[in-house]
Amino acid sequence: DIQMTQSPSSLPASLGDRVTITCRASQDIGNYLRWFQQKPGKSPRLMIYGATNLAAGVPSRFSGSRSGSDYSLTISSLESEDMADYYCLQSKESPFTFGAGTKLELK
Amino acid sequence: QVQLKETGPDLVQLTQTLSITCTVSGFSLTTYNVHWVRQPPGKGLEWMGAMWNGGGTDYNSAFKSRLSISRDTSKSQVFLKMNSLQTDDTAKYFCARQFQYWGQGVMVTVSS
Repeated sequence: DIQMTQSPSSLPASLGDRVTITCRASQDIGNYLRWFQQKPGKSPRLMIYGATNLAAGVPSRFSGSRSGSDYSLTISSLESEDMADYYCLQSKESPFTFGAGTKLELK
Repeated sequence: QVQLKETGPDLVQLTQTLSITCTVSGFSLTTYNVHWVRQPPGKGLEWMGAMWNGGGTDYNSAFKSRLSISRDTSKSQVFLKMNSLQTDDTAKYFCARQFQYWGQGVMVTVSS
């Protein structure tokens, strides 16, 4: 199975900060990488697909990038509504696998 | 508009079988894939399997032969069945259309 190693597990940050969350794939997954935001008690929300493409309705302060087997989600200027858990997902190969998640919280 | 809704039991007895229905609207099951994902309380997301638009299925081997996914296209429903439930199967179960649209999820507790 492809392992997705997500870091950090917890990210304290201040409003206005630029923050980055990373997932490293254990095998080549090309650009078959999605990012999700999940708030307490809610369903996951697709933020990024194809590693770099912004999903519909997602604010432009969110972006996705890739460097080799490292995939990153960046928020350019943190807003209060961005406090949530974030997960990556590889869909290159079954079984699809999620990263362990990152809890983004106010410092 | 696209909607998915999971329905199923709140409580399942240990070793029994879980059955959850995902009823969709706003799209055809023959056009889009539907995935099942679960999340134990306070933990991360786990992909369980998929119903492909062509009618095939795919399963996470972590569930071995416990898991079955099927559909009724005439009713726009996708079904999840998992047997031999254990306490660590306590989780919220979601269905999702190609991970873009998600149901609200159904919380299932496995009780001894």
